[in-house]
Amino acid sequence: AQSVTQLDSQVPVFEEAPVELRCNYSSSVSVYLFWYVQYPNQGLQLLLKYLSGSTLVKGINGFEAEFNKSQTSFHLRKPSVHISDTAEYFCAVSPINTDKLIFGTGTRLQVFP
Amino acid sequence: GAGVSQSPSNKVTEKGKDVELRCDPISGHTALYWYRQSLGQGLEFLIYFQGNSAPDKSGLPSDRFSAERTGGSVSTLTIQRTQQEDSAVYLCASSLGRESPLHFGNGTRLTVT
Repeated sequence: AQSVTQLDSQVPVFEEAPVELRCNYSSSVSVYLFWYVQYPNQGLQLLLKYLSGSTLVKGINGFEAEFNKSQTSFHLRKPSVHISDTAEYFCAVSPINTDKLIFGTGTRLQVFP
Repeated sequence: GAGVSQSPSNKVTEKGKDVELRCDPISGHTALYWYRQSLGQGLEFLIYFQGNSAPDKSGLPSDRFSAERTGGSVSTLTIQRTQQEDSAVYLCASSLGRESPLHFGNGTRLTVT
């Protein structure tokens, strides 16, 4: 079975500061990894994904994430956040041998001016 | 083009009644997912379909929950004898496969009184 842990339910940060949203996963097989974002009153949309190749993946809006197999982590980072980045961020994992996609409980990023 | 459509958008029902939630995926999308989103609980995986078959039903909370998909298109999620703890937003998503982005519907907000 697979599971995803997002340890931080809320992350407050000031505008232009760097941010890291943590994601750890558990799986007995290799996985694909994803970050989705849900802006206020909107549906979820894909931010970035790791399928294979380079462990550093870049997504939309200046976000990037690094896959660390030994630490089973896929943390999301942005060097300088903007007010408009305020949203709920979900990490998700999918075992490579199925289409099942499991989401974490989400991290609410609140950016203050 | 048309996105994922869910109906009804809101449903208020009395405890003990049955409800049926509908999802119209994007045309051509073979994979279809159902999730439940409750406050503070993130996205809870319920079931996914590949075509008309459901390889993994492990997320369904109880035998009161069932889902089907016909013609590789429309899917219905049925909850029998609803309970108050079933109150949540039920989200449907479709994709060409899990390597492709999931496209989410706006959800059905179910309230059981």
